Amino acid sequence: NAGVTQTPKFQVLKTGQSMTLQCAQDMNHEYMSWYRQDPGMGLRLIHYSVGAGITDQGEVPNGYNVSRSTTEDFPLRLLSAAPSQTSVYFCASSAPDRRYEQYFGPGTRLTVT
Amino acid sequence: AQKITQTQPGMFVQEKEAVTLDCTYDTSDQSYGLFWYKQPSSGEMIFLIYQGSYDEQNATEGRYSLNFQKARKSANLVISASQLGDSAMYFCAMREGFYIPTFGRGTSLIVHP
Repeated sequence: NAGVTQTPKFQVLKTGQSMTLQCAQDMNHEYMSWYRQDPGMGLRLIHYSVGAGITDQGEVPNGYNVSRSTTEDFPLRLLSAAPSQTSVYFCASSAPDRRYEQYFGPGTRLTVT
Repeated sequence: AQKITQTQPGMFVQEKEAVTLDCTYDTSDQSYGLFWYKQPSSGEMIFLIYQGSYDEQNATEGRYSLNFQKARKSANLVISASQLGDSAMYFCAMREGFYIPTFGRGTSLIVHP
């Protein structure tokens, strides 16, 4: 069991560039989510999904898109990167039979210059 | 308004002593869950302990216990017999109903030898 995997681990983008952060889980969890972590701000929810084909916005969705075509994958797209999106991004998955405990990926450190 | 409040940005404790990390929450739901996670300097998020709103007893996991005071809406983490490896960021989180958990801003714990 690989758990939750994220790629890449590190990324540097220029303002205006687009990219996709990949997230995959092999635990057959229904719920998946994306958080960003900034110093002093904790983890803030960007987008989440409660199943394939179903996504919704979290606390800070602006500038990000998601889709969920399979149970396993939940990519996060930055359409036009801005310096304010410099952050560490965590993907997580959870399931009702595990009390909705979040299983986290290792994170992606993104810098936008 | 913040749903999870961690009022201690930083805490210091002597090795082998106990320490309490504070967490208060805000919800009008009857069914909710409370989590604590640890984030060492390496960056990964590690699940520590869970308390359900209907659980009558305080949760315990080894040296970790959760002091759950429902009427006060507090869910403090108690670490007994602190070890140097306990130095990390600690995050409190709450799941309301079937929703994705919301996280607090975290407390940095430093354990002195």
